[in-house]
Amino acid sequence: QSALTQPASVSGSPGQSITISCTGTNSDVGGYDLVSWYQQHPGKAPQLIIYAGIERPSGVSSRFSGSKSGNTASLTISGLQAEDEADYFCCSYAGVTTPLVFGTGTKVTVL
Amino acid sequence: EVQLVESGGVVVQPGGSLRLSCAASGFTFDDYTMHWVRQAPGKGLEWVSLISWDGGSTYYADSVKGRFTISRDNSKNSLYLQMNSLRTEDTALYYCAKDISGGSGMDVWGQGTTVTVSS
Repeated sequence: QSALTQPASVSGSPGQSITISCTGTNSDVGGYDLVSWYQQHPGKAPQLIIYAGIERPSGVSSRFSGSKSGNTASLTISGLQAEDEADYFCCSYAGVTTPLVFGTGTKVTVL
Repeated sequence: EVQLVESGGVVVQPGGSLRLSCAASGFTFDDYTMHWVRQAPGKGLEWVSLISWDGGSTYYADSVKGRFTISRDNSKNSLYLQMNSLRTEDTALYYCAKDISGGSGMDVWGQGTTVTVSS
């Protein structure tokens, strides 16, 4: 099972919106509504920000939203803030043989 | 407070064995699927293994299949990862994580324990 493809880096100015893509296949991203997204600050454990493709856990800002089109899932961060500077990883269910696969990760920089 | 605390990470020689533990608290442990996820230094996240709530189903990444064994003891609220035939490429920070529901995401993570495989 190959890692899902994410852009290595995305940047934006405070207040702007950015979108991070996560491209897989119809055996993972495209086959299930089970994509999750994680934010990871340096030296910290990952934090779940989106699950089941579009759902936000309690306590996660509404500035984070998830979507999917075909084999590509996307995370949008609106009203970009300095605290959003972090690494972001997508993850998808990929079937019973190897159930989960992560994306390659995206470094978000707030200019 | 919902919490996961990993332990057991050390420096081990290639070919060696190690058992990681993860102590859970603050939630009903035996209601949830649990995962191990690892992160090599400076690299991304890699899913390693999962175990169902009752231990009846286990799954592994191809990179560890046949070498690692996941298990749990619900009476002790604990998750384990037995790691055999270790390779240098297994060097990583190992996290345990709680599944939110049906593989849709991992909502609670520990702080990780470091495994270094080196001669």
